[in-house]
Amino acid sequence: NAGVTQTPKFRVLKTGQSMTLLCAQDMNHEYMYWYRQDPGMGLRLIHYSVGEGTTAKGEVPDGYNVSRLKKQNFLLGLESAAPSQTSVYFCASRPSPKQPQHFGDGTRLSIL
Amino acid sequence: GENVEQHPSTLSVQEGDSAVIKCTYSDSASNYFPWYKQELGKRPQLIIDIRSNVGEKKDQRIAVTLNKTAKHFSLHITETQPEDSAVYFCAASKNNNAGNMLTFGGGTRLMVKP
Repeated sequence: NAGVTQTPKFRVLKTGQSMTLLCAQDMNHEYMYWYRQDPGMGLRLIHYSVGEGTTAKGEVPDGYNVSRLKKQNFLLGLESAAPSQTSVYFCASRPSPKQPQHFGDGTRLSIL
Repeated sequence: GENVEQHPSTLSVQEGDSAVIKCTYSDSASNYFPWYKQELGKRPQLIIDIRSNVGEKKDQRIAVTLNKTAKHFSLHITETQPEDSAVYFCAASKNNNAGNMLTFGGGTRLMVKP
């Protein structure tokens, strides 16, 4: 049981490039979340999903898109990366709204 | 939307002393308050949580208190140890149709000096 797995762990992009971050969970959780963590600002929610085939905007959705085609996977896409998107990205999941969230190890993304 | 403020941003204590971190929230409908510990370069890990139907919860050296009237909750760590050094985040959420989103505080860097 691997829990929540994020790939890649590190990535450097040039401004304007695109990429997709993958979050996979093997706990059959319905709810999945993508956060970004910047120094001194805690975790901010980008997008989330309450089940397969659903997505919704969080606190800071601009510049990102997501998809939840399979229950176990939640993808975060950057269509045209900008330096302001340099951050550490965390994925989390939980089985129901009343259960705690479980986090992945994070993806450190740098955009030059 | 919900706003969570956390204080202090840094806290330095001597090993064996107690540490207290405080958070305030703005939405009176919030009813779930977890605390996460994040070591350098690692994922946030849940250490304790409390729901609005209780005022206090303890787990060994860690306790959380909740004052719903004042809309604040606190983390208490007793007999601190060097391995308690980390960044601690509080969060708040409420039951809704929007995935029960967590709103996080800005974090407190706790340093326990041996």
